[in-house]
Amino acid sequence: AQTVTQSQPEMSVQEAETVTLSCTYDTSESDYYLFWYKQPPSRQMILVIRQEAYKQQNATENRFSVNFQKAAKSFSLKISDSQLGDAAMYFCAYRRATSYDKVIFGPGTSLSVIP
Amino acid sequence: GAVVSQHPSRVICKSGTSVKIECRSLDFQATTMFWYRQFPKKSLMLMATSNEGSKATYEQGVEKDKFLINHASLTLSTLTVTSAHPEDSSFYICSARDELAGGGLETQYFGPGTRLLVL
Repeated sequence: AQTVTQSQPEMSVQEAETVTLSCTYDTSESDYYLFWYKQPPSRQMILVIRQEAYKQQNATENRFSVNFQKAAKSFSLKISDSQLGDAAMYFCAYRRATSYDKVIFGPGTSLSVIP
Repeated sequence: GAVVSQHPSRVICKSGTSVKIECRSLDFQATTMFWYRQFPKKSLMLMATSNEGSKATYEQGVEKDKFLINHASLTLSTLTVTSAHPEDSSFYICSARDELAGGGLETQYFGPGTRLLVL
């Protein structure tokens, strides 16, 4: 069975600084998708970034980038120039490439941004 | 972008009653919707996969007779918590997959969630 692990329950970062959130996963599949979701206090889930496993290039979305290490089954999220609005729960998630398959979420990392 | 709505956003009910939560995809059709449960400061736990026109697929440990799911159309799935008890109090989130979004990645959109409190 696939599992997603986030070893940092809580993290904090100074405003304008950079922070990296860790995520590891376990799967025997070769083709899959990885995601980072943000859940602010409103509890609305927001997709931050996604990565297709067959792509070697790391995904980037503005201030958000990932370090995808397929062999190590690692998928970390880097947030640059942190802003107060980045404070939220961040969930790493995995989905097999099979259509209609479910998304498996990690336990989450609570990120605080210090002004 | 695509939007998924949930109704109600908050509901309080008495123990023993049933509560229905609706999940709607507003500008796309979804053959597959998902229902999650989230406890405070915890992750999303998948309860079931809702398939349009067929029976839902429940995750292990989720009582199908307790949590009734009906996906009657391509834009609506409902979750009914039957004979609710205080331990059913939680935050319920649905998501819908836009399978026509293109790129093979078919984007999944989440509803804003429903907070259920059973007294």
